Amino acid sequence: EAAVTQSPRNKVTVTGGNVTLSCRQTNSHNYMYWYRQDTGHGLRLIHYSYGAGNLQIGDVPDGYKATRTTQEDFFLLLELASPSQTSLYFCASRWDNQNTLYFGAGTRLSVL
Amino acid sequence: QQQVRQSPQSLTVWEGETAILNCSYENSAFDYFPWYQQFPGEGPALLIAIRSVSDKKEDGRFTIFFNKREKKLSLHITDSQPGDSATYFCAASKNQGGSAKLIFGEGTKLTVSS
Repeated sequence: EAAVTQSPRNKVTVTGGNVTLSCRQTNSHNYMYWYRQDTGHGLRLIHYSYGAGNLQIGDVPDGYKATRTTQEDFFLLLELASPSQTSLYFCASRWDNQNTLYFGAGTRLSVL
Repeated sequence: QQQVRQSPQSLTVWEGETAILNCSYENSAFDYFPWYQQFPGEGPALLIAIRSVSDKKEDGRFTIFFNKREKKLSLHITDSQPGDSATYFCAASKNQGGSAKLIFGEGTKLTVSS
């Protein structure tokens, strides 16, 4: 069973604050993704990566940076958090020859 | 714009009934359509998927019906159980593997009452 671990599970910050969300997968998957989930919008892709040091822009990248430091670790950075970034964030991973995404349990972020 | 749309937003059925969840898409190049199931407090998980070369895919009580001409598909859950209560996401992508990105719909929240 694929394992994707996100931390923290919950985070509260203030407007203008600096936040880092972490994701680790232990399945040697090539691809890793960051999505945000909002009512009425479903899951929207922020950034993704196909290997250490690689970064691809998703569909809603504004206000977010990401970094893939190793095969296992993918980070999402909010350097000047805004209330519009209050959301449920999911990390996912997959092998490069399959389409099945394996999701983590999510991080709920509140920006006050 | 939302490339994948789902309806209804929420659905309540009685235990034993068939739940029908609808999905439509805009891009005729999409050729892979998975459905993901999400329980509260968890991440989504793949439930069942279909490729555009097929018009039906069945897995136990879950069946996808696909209409390429109308760019529509639906997920039928027969003999619905309370344990099926979850949010269901329809998704689409252009190709298999490689750099394929999955585009998700807004989700349908299903409640099965006993």
